[in-house]
Amino acid sequence: GAGVSQTPSNKVTEKGKYVELRCDPISGHTALYWYRQSLGQGPEFLIYFQGTGAADDSGLPNDRFFAVRPEGSVSTLKIQRTERGDSAMYLCASSLTSGSRETQYFGPGTRLLVL
Amino acid sequence: AQSVTQLDSQVPVFEEAPVELRCNYSSSVSVYLFWYVQYPNQGLQLLLKYLSGSTLVESINGFEAEFNKSQTSFHLRKPSVHISDTAEYFCAVSIIQGAQKLVFGQGTRLTINP
Repeated sequence: GAGVSQTPSNKVTEKGKYVELRCDPISGHTALYWYRQSLGQGPEFLIYFQGTGAADDSGLPNDRFFAVRPEGSVSTLKIQRTERGDSAMYLCASSLTSGSRETQYFGPGTRLLVL
Repeated sequence: AQSVTQLDSQVPVFEEAPVELRCNYSSSVSVYLFWYVQYPNQGLQLLLKYLSGSTLVESINGFEAEFNKSQTSFHLRKPSVHISDTAEYFCAVSIIQGAQKLVFGQGTRLTINP
């Protein structure tokens, strides 16, 4: 079956602009996660959804970052007033159910470059 | 808070040689342990995980990792590597009770030379 998909695969924007990154999880997966990976580093947790609600948003770096999952499937990560430091690979993952023993399945990522 | 340290950022080895990628973690509570692999131009995929039971876990492609609670380690090993094992390997933990998130190490780039 289809895996996790993310669009766009690459996004170039200018400092101060608004961007949206989309994640389509594996069908039937109730849990969805966003991570950010800077060059040479491991992924860092941003936010986790169980169904439509954000169960844990402790990793969002500041109030310029926001994510939604209105119907419990597709999720959008929104970044306002982008800064050069936001440049990174943004990864989405989903798992069948919530639970820290569950395998998270990752998408290919969106590479964001803020000029 | 949890943290994961991968002691080697890069590991070059010759084909058919053994390899060990080191991973140590720090946590005040019990954790599950994972190794994820990222092949060139592909997304992260699970290689193996330790949840409970036998401390030695194996993957389908010949890797194994051993959970050592006293040393808080979860090193990844393979007795004989292939060119196709060239990838970046990430060790990660999640808390057994509580937050669902994965905490990753910095990654180890494994390069196989012919």
